[in-house]
Amino acid sequence: EVHLLESGGGLVQPGGFLRLSCAASGFAFGSYAMSWVRQAPGKGLEWVSHIRESEGRIKYGDSVEGRFTISRDIPKNILYLQMTNLRAEDTAVYFCAKEATFGYHYFEDWGQGTLVTVSS
Amino acid sequence: EIVMTQSPATLSLSPGESATLSCRASQSISHYLAWYQQKPGRAPRLLIYDTSNRATGIPARFSASGSGTDFTLTISSLEPEDFAVYHCQQRANWPITFGQGTRLEIK
Repeated sequence: EVHLLESGGGLVQPGGFLRLSCAASGFAFGSYAMSWVRQAPGKGLEWVSHIRESEGRIKYGDSVEGRFTISRDIPKNILYLQMTNLRAEDTAVYFCAKEATFGYHYFEDWGQGTLVTVSS
Repeated sequence: EIVMTQSPATLSLSPGESATLSCRASQSISHYLAWYQQKPGRAPRLLIYDTSNRATGIPARFSASGSGTDFTLTISSLEPEDFAVYHCQQRANWPITFGQGTRLEIK
């Protein structure tokens, strides 16, 4: 059974930084593309970043480009999201998601999410 | 960026009724559309991919259709557990984008 467990969220001041982690189990982590998707309180879903199986392709949403960095440690089965220069509008629940076997960029499995609050 | 617009924002129905949810893309996305269900405090769950393919374990009362810019999710004979928020998502072009969601509530 696929299991994704995010951690690292919390309260941070504007301009600050956080690193989110997503521990993966139950599947061959190195063989799947992964993404981060966020959801601001009471709002819809927003895709944040994507990383291919071999880190050959990485993509970011416009709102986080240049501030966030996605990476993965395949031996440790962990996906990361390094977030810098955080803004109030980055406040959201951040989900990691395993992309589908049958098509990139469909999100077949999700973690429970970790809340990031950016506030002074 | 492709903008995904869902309608209605809220749909009020009773168990046993059928629900029709719409999703429109600002430009053609071919068949590269997915639907997700999300319950309060929970992660989204993939229901449909590539416009009309049900994901693993999704009941047959969930069906979907469309192409190009206009897509529909139909839930026949609503069960109590179907009342939730539904999101559409396109993967045709970067960036990946979602609709704002349709809340399906019990009437």
